[in-house]
Amino acid sequence: GENVEQHPSTLSVQEGDSAVIKCTYSDSASNYFPWYKQELGKGPQLIIDIRSNVGEKKDQRIAVTLNKTAKHFSLHITETQPEDSAVYFCAASMGTNAGKSTFGDGTTLTVKP
Amino acid sequence: DVKVTQSSRYLVKRTGEKVFLECVQDMDHENMFWYRQDPGLGLRLIYFSYDVKMKEKGDIPEGYSVSREKKERFSLILESASTNQTSMYLCALGGDTNNQPQHFGDGTRLSIL
Repeated sequence: GENVEQHPSTLSVQEGDSAVIKCTYSDSASNYFPWYKQELGKGPQLIIDIRSNVGEKKDQRIAVTLNKTAKHFSLHITETQPEDSAVYFCAASMGTNAGKSTFGDGTTLTVKP
Repeated sequence: DVKVTQSSRYLVKRTGEKVFLECVQDMDHENMFWYRQDPGLGLRLIYFSYDVKMKEKGDIPEGYSVSREKKERFSLILESASTNQTSMYLCALGGDTNNQPQHFGDGTRLSIL
């Protein structure tokens, strides 16, 4: 089955700096890659996603890049703010099997004021 | 807005009890998922369902079962609770087609004493 590895497991940055979280996946059939943010006491929520026919997608301070050849994708957050502090999960899906996704182990991001 | 409601935020049960965790959606979607979340282990899929009365095992189904008698409700059952099932349990709703993000409930923190 699919295997998703996520790094780093913890990340601490100063407010205003950039943060980058990286994920690799194992199955080349995966074609959908969402990123979720989980705040304390809440379930994960989608912040951005990318499909395999696209190399990069941006939404204000958040961007995701995908390298299909190397089977890795990354989340970039620029101009970080304290409210960006949360746990971030990457996921990979093949678009089959009820849309089942395989998740990375999560990255705890702390943005220091 | 998509709403995924988990019936309890916190639950304390005793070893050997039969435990029911309930999840209700308001979107009439077919695909629903149960995960458990443990520190450093990310989100692990227990079971999922792609239609009423249809279910499939995820990656860690041992000790659990599920029920989907109506489309809007997906229940996770711990047949005989054990202390190693103490965890955060998250229910998620898939999109109306594959390759769409999942929508999560806010979780049930279950403690087995």
